Amino acid sequence: EADIYQTPRYLVIGTGKKITLECSQTMGHDKMYWYQQDPGMELHLIHYSYGVNSTEKGDLSSESTVSRIRTEHFPLTLESARPSHTSQYLCAIGTSGRYNEQFFGPGTRLTVL
Amino acid sequence: GDSVTQMEGPVTLSEEAFLTINCTYTATGYPSLFWYVQYPGEGLQLLLKATKADDKGSNKGFEATYRKETTSFHLEKGSVQVSDSAVYFCALAGGGADGLTFGKGTHLIIQP
Repeated sequence: EADIYQTPRYLVIGTGKKITLECSQTMGHDKMYWYQQDPGMELHLIHYSYGVNSTEKGDLSSESTVSRIRTEHFPLTLESARPSHTSQYLCAIGTSGRYNEQFFGPGTRLTVL
Repeated sequence: GDSVTQMEGPVTLSEEAFLTINCTYTATGYPSLFWYVQYPGEGLQLLLKATKADDKGSNKGFEATYRKETTSFHLEKGSVQVSDSAVYFCALAGGGADGLTFGKGTHLIIQP
């Protein structure tokens, strides 16, 4: 497994604010992912990365953007938060073995008022 | 595209009861299959996995067998405890590096 850190754990902000959710890992894994978990518990892939300078959009269209300048960090940014962005955001790393398994961070619970 | 269907919850059981949470999938090729567990306020933890037909994943008393003929990966436990109360997600990984496809989650409640 890998140590995966997400900050902040909880965030309450007003509409229109710019926010960045941090995700970092210590084991040098190339594959990283962002999932959005709605209040009904469903999980949707919104972004992923194969490595430095690689970013792709996931299955669910999202107004957020990501960057991957360093292997260890995969931050997610919302330029102008809205109430519809209220959700839990989960970051994960993917292993390079045959299982293609993923390990998750503790999540950031975002509330936009 | 790929999809995962799991039984709707909440599922409420008494302590020491037998647990089954059904999961079926649709995918091209030969996906890897997973069960994840999420406790309140936390991220997802990998519970068990299987990568090919007839593989049995097991961990902490939970088991699931990869059944290709029925495209299923049902989660079972012989005797549940109150501490097993959580949300359980079935998931699959296709080929390539893109993300997992999850079921909608099953909320399990174990009463003492």
